[in-house]
Amino acid sequence: KAGVTQTPRYLIKTRGQQVTLSCSPISGHRSVSWYQQTPGQGLQFLFEYFSETQRNKGNFPGRFSGRQFSNSRSEMNVSTLELGDSALYLCASSLAILAGGSTDTQYFGPGTRLTVL
Amino acid sequence: AQTVTQSQPEMSVQEAETVTLSCTYDTSESDYYLFWYKQPPSRQMILVIRQEAYKQQNATENRFSVNFQKAAKSFSLKISDSQLGDAAMYFCAYRSPINTGTASKLTFGTGTRLQVTL
Repeated sequence: KAGVTQTPRYLIKTRGQQVTLSCSPISGHRSVSWYQQTPGQGLQFLFEYFSETQRNKGNFPGRFSGRQFSNSRSEMNVSTLELGDSALYLCASSLAILAGGSTDTQYFGPGTRLTVL
Repeated sequence: AQTVTQSQPEMSVQEAETVTLSCTYDTSESDYYLFWYKQPPSRQMILVIRQEAYKQQNATENRFSVNFQKAAKSFSLKISDSQLGDAAMYFCAYRSPINTGTASKLTFGTGTRLQVTL
């Protein structure tokens, strides 16, 4: 089975621009979560999508948004980029089994490295 | 809110030796899941091992095993017969039970960088 894929792998943008990152989950996985990784703040949860609905959200400003399509692919958008948005953005997918008994493990993609100049 | 603490920023181990990485967490929940992820220089986050809090038996995956002490809220990772390919950043992570409002969120520790020497 193919793993989680993220595109693009690298991005360079300037302050004030906006950016869209894409994530394709493992086939059959219905939940997609996004994380931001920086040297200063570590790994922080951005949001999670399930069945095209945002189910959970971390503590990030409204400039960070996302969506999920009917095929479970997800996109993340950051508007009005700031220098502090430079980070590795990781996407993770899981089966999202809601019945009891599953650990619902998250499997990660290779990440998108965003540099804001 | 749950917190995860990894107090060892860096560890070093000789090839073929055993090393233990520490992780403690704080939670008021009685049921939860714990994970160790490995992040090599490629930055791909790879699942190493997982533990369900309701299981008393410690999880093992080949050379990797955990020491889960629920009362002490401790979740250490033991790597036996260390190999050069084990060199990476290791993250401990906590997840609430499914069907709770925060179920989908992983809370990570700050990581331990493991060096493997010849």
